[in-house]
Amino acid sequence: NAGVTQTPKFQVLKTGQSMTLQCAQDMNHNSMYWYRQDPGMGLRLIYYSASEGTTDKGEVPNGYNVSRLNKREFSLRLESAAPSQTSVYFCASSMTAPTAYGYTFGSGTRLTVV
Amino acid sequence: GQQLNQSPQSMFIQEGEDVSMNCTSSSIFNTWLWYKQDPGEGPVLLIALYKAGELTSNGRLTAQFGITRKDSFLNISASIPSDVGIYFCAGQYGNKLVFGAGTILRVKS
Repeated sequence: NAGVTQTPKFQVLKTGQSMTLQCAQDMNHNSMYWYRQDPGMGLRLIYYSASEGTTDKGEVPNGYNVSRLNKREFSLRLESAAPSQTSVYFCASSMTAPTAYGYTFGSGTRLTVV
Repeated sequence: GQQLNQSPQSMFIQEGEDVSMNCTSSSIFNTWLWYKQDPGEGPVLLIALYKAGELTSNGRLTAQFGITRKDSFLNISASIPSDVGIYFCAGQYGNKLVFGAGTILRVKS
């Protein structure tokens, strides 16, 4: 099915290790987003890319970097993982930003940092 | 930054009952959205509201955009077991969405 694909679905890292979360969408959307979800805190925006070639910080960008590789792909990198980054990460996309039509979300990456 | 206060945090309901949840904010939003998240999945859009005072239905779901543009509510009528999940409100400001903390809905069958 068309939509937003995230890889991997699960990952365990040791403190200090690095990794990249991958996200791809096939809906020809211009804007892409990375959120983290923690119990009782809802979804918090880490970084977003309003269009190909641009990226901006969201609410909680510290400890993360992003790359908008092309229109389809938007990756999130943890350079030196910390236990506080244990979370479920969601990628989302939308036709434009601002959007009045909401986002389409991927199914998430569950990351544990030990 | 903008914050949304979503309540209740969680609820158990009897199958067949009606459910209400709401979101409030000190900020004005241009759009209110309601999402549902099933276990192990990403949120899925249920209803989008674009105008103050707007009342919109989607099957057993009804949502309203508050007149002040600072609040919204979601009603679910005649709940069924598959309504279980986490419901999020979201408000649009500029080119981003801000989400509430979610309402966990558990149904007693």
